Amino acid sequence: GIQVEQSPPDLILQEGANSTLRCNFSDSVNNLQWFHQNPWGQLINLFYIPSGTKQNGRLSATTVATERYSLLYISSSQTTDSGVYFCAVESGFQKLVFGTGTRLLVSP
Amino acid sequence: DAMVIQNPRYQVTQFGKPVTLSCSQTLNHNVMYWYQQKSSQAPKLLFHYYDKDFNNEADTPDNFQSRRPNTSFCFLDIRSPGLGDAAMYLCATSGPLVDRVDTQYFGPGTRLTVL
Repeated sequence: GIQVEQSPPDLILQEGANSTLRCNFSDSVNNLQWFHQNPWGQLINLFYIPSGTKQNGRLSATTVATERYSLLYISSSQTTDSGVYFCAVESGFQKLVFGTGTRLLVSP
Repeated sequence: DAMVIQNPRYQVTQFGKPVTLSCSQTLNHNVMYWYQQKSSQAPKLLFHYYDKDFNNEADTPDNFQSRRPNTSFCFLDIRSPGLGDAAMYLCATSGPLVDRVDTQYFGPGTRLTVL
């Protein structure tokens, strides 16, 4: 099956710093989604981005499907950005497989 | 304005005692999913429904069953919980794209403890 690797696995930032999270996948995909899991376990969909670039406030994402990677940019990070960031790619009929995750801690 | 609701949020059961987790949605999505997430791991798909069609993952243990009586509700039954089944159980929905997975929306999860 498709493999989805994320880097870095852990990231510690000072509030206000910028960061880039990476998602590599082993096969071509029809769709890719980014999620944020807060410290209480709630998963929130950030982007639905099979290709191209999207922006939502301080967050933006770029997927280069032909090169099998996606990037999530966080600018001016805040403590509320802490948690785990997952990318997930389509793998089979109506199914996603999740990446390994990046655990982010933003300190004040 | 809750869209995907899971009950209970915390469930404690005894080893071998059946347990049922519930999920409901107000989005009228046709696809519903159950994931298992263990500590420091990614969510792992157990099964999903496309409308009434049930799709089981090959590596989902027989101990896990699911029911979807109508569009809004979906249940996860664990027939004989073992200590290894302690985890967060996440319900998600998506729809209505047919040719690809649509945006997935997750409930808050049920954290299951097995004593």
